[in-house]
Amino acid sequence: EAGVAQSPRYKIIEKRQSVAFWCNPISGHATLYWYQQILGQGPKLLIQFQNNGVVDDSQLPKDRFSAERLKGVDSTLKIQPAKLEDSAVYLCASSPRLAGQETQYFGPGTRLLVL
Amino acid sequence: SQKIEQNSEALNIQEGKTATLTCNYTNYSPAYLQWYRQDPGRGPVFLLLIRENEKEKRKERLKVTFDTTLKQSLFHITASQPADSATYLCALTRGTGANNLFFGTGTRLTVIP
Repeated sequence: EAGVAQSPRYKIIEKRQSVAFWCNPISGHATLYWYQQILGQGPKLLIQFQNNGVVDDSQLPKDRFSAERLKGVDSTLKIQPAKLEDSAVYLCASSPRLAGQETQYFGPGTRLLVL
Repeated sequence: SQKIEQNSEALNIQEGKTATLTCNYTNYSPAYLQWYRQDPGRGPVFLLLIRENEKEKRKERLKVTFDTTLKQSLFHITASQPADSATYLCALTRGTGANNLFFGTGTRLTVIP
């Protein structure tokens, strides 16, 4: 079974530029998550989808971050414009169902550096 | 405010010993608590889940305890090996029916040969 795929793996941009990350979850997984992991910290949930609907985006900085999951499969996360403090690893995860006991399967992450 | 604290940023132990990692939380009533392993440059990998009504869970050399009175989980790796060196993250759900995971900051374990 293929795991969660993410691209690109690395991205370097200057502040005020825009950037987009892509995620392909495990086939058949209904729930998809985007996390931000700043160096030395644990992952912080940005947004959670159930199929193509948003379940929780309470911690997403909506003035600059946006995400979509059209057709309920792949997802993209965009930052526009980027700030220095957005430098982090962006992790995508998926799980079969929307439930607290579900294991989350993580992708390798996209490492973003904003200069 | 809500907090999830893991005992220390880094823990060094000798090969063959038991590693014990601590996860303390405040202002949560989690229904589930999970432990993940994260290697450098990779995403977290699930290890164990324990429910609020369970005291202990085991899987091979791993053992997790969950004390909802103390608001604490302990994660043990027995007969530790250098390959166990990684960052270990605890994560919990906010309450019954909640499905979002809140992660601690992690403990970086180094097993010295």
